[in-house]
Parts: sequence; C-alpha cells; structure tokens
Amino acid sequence: EAQVTQNPRYLITVTGKKLTVTCSQNMNHEYMSWYRQDPGLGLRQIYYSMNVEVTDKGDVPEGYKVSRKEKRNFPLILESPSPNQTSLYFCASRSSGGIYNEQFFGPGTRLTVL
Amino acid sequence: SQQGEEDPQALSIQEGENATMNCSYKTSINNLQWYRQNSGRGLVHLILIRSNEREKHSGRLRVTLDTSKKSSSLLITASRAADTASYFCATDGEDDYKLSFGAGTTVTVRA
Repeated sequence: EAQVTQNPRYLITVTGKKLTVTCSQNMNHEYMSWYRQDPGLGLRQIYYSMNVEVTDKGDVPEGYKVSRKEKRNFPLILESPSPNQTSLYFCASRSSGGIYNEQFFGPGTRLTVL
Repeated sequence: SQQGEEDPQALSIQEGENATMNCSYKTSINNLQWYRQNSGRGLVHLILIRSNEREKHSGRLRVTLDTSKKSSSLLITASRAADTASYFCATDGEDDYKLSFGAGTTVTVRA
C-alpha cells in the first residue's frame, strides 16, 4: 500500500531535549516536505526536499533541521525544542515527474513541548 | 507564506444539502488542489484542477476555477455526515513544486 508513515504519532517532551520525528514513504517520490498545523493558521511548510541531499527552507524553518540521506526518509529534527513548537506536524511526499500531481500526507505527529 | 484563503471559515449544513466553499489566491498557478482533513488526521487529496481547466467533477464534488479572478470553489452535493471535515485548497505555483495551503473551511453536516 502506498503510504507516508511518521513516528512517533504522539510525543510529549520538555524544553531543550533534542528529538527526531521520522518520516518514510514507499512511493519512490522525489519531493518530500514537512508542515506544521496550528489552529487558525492552516498548514505552514517548515522544510522541503527536492531529492536526496537537496533540502531547502519553507516558510517557518526556525528551530528545525532536516536531512535527506535516502530517497525514502526525511526526518525532522528539533535540536532544542521550545513550547512554541507545540503543534501537529505532517510529513508529505509527491512525485516531481510532472507538475500535475497530488501530495500524499502522513497521519501526523502531535508534539507537546512543556 | 499562505497563498490560498478559504471562505467561509466554518459552515454548518443539514444532511442532504449542498456545501459550497471558496478559495482565493494571489499569484499565478499551475494547478489548484482540494484536500479534506478529518479531525486531527492527515490530509487526503480530493481533486486537482489544472490552470487551463474551468470545471471538474469527481463523484459528489464539483470544482471550478477562475484564473482571471484567482478563485476556486468546491461544491459538495447531497452532503452526508461523513463529509464533516475541514477542507483546504492548495495552489501549485508556476515556479516550484511547493504547495501553498489556506487556513481551511470547517464543514459540519448535521444529521
């Protein structure tokens, strides 16, 4: 089954404790992206990757890091989480073979930073 | 930055009625997509309309696109309780693969 998976699905942590949210897709998609969703603000893009070893900032990259060492994986790293990073996070992927294509989303990771 | 803006922010209708929501955007696009999100879950792609198309249908969904007005509408006909969700429009810019999302319309279908 074609899917995007994220782990963990729920995470409660404390300020300053480094964490990683994993993301993996099995569709051989070139393009992967991380979003955060906050009430009233919709989805805001954090980082995206056009392909292996190619990453770029989205609209709200501060406080986050990413890496793309393999095509299928795109982990999101919070080196020193703060309470304002409490949010619902989504990983997504899409093929970049054409411009007319849909984006597939993971189930989300609900992060709480105390 | 957000490209699309949905209107209304929230919509409550009776089962069987039609639901219409609108999306406006600012810059030229390759295509516009609509997604549905059930509470707290991931977004699911509903329909994609290309910039050279004016109308598209998929089951009970009808999407229109007016590039001159930079706007789109999503119509859900004969709504069901299962249509209760948030609906987002997303635009695909001309210059990159970035999908820009609006803040969404929350639709509640009352039984």
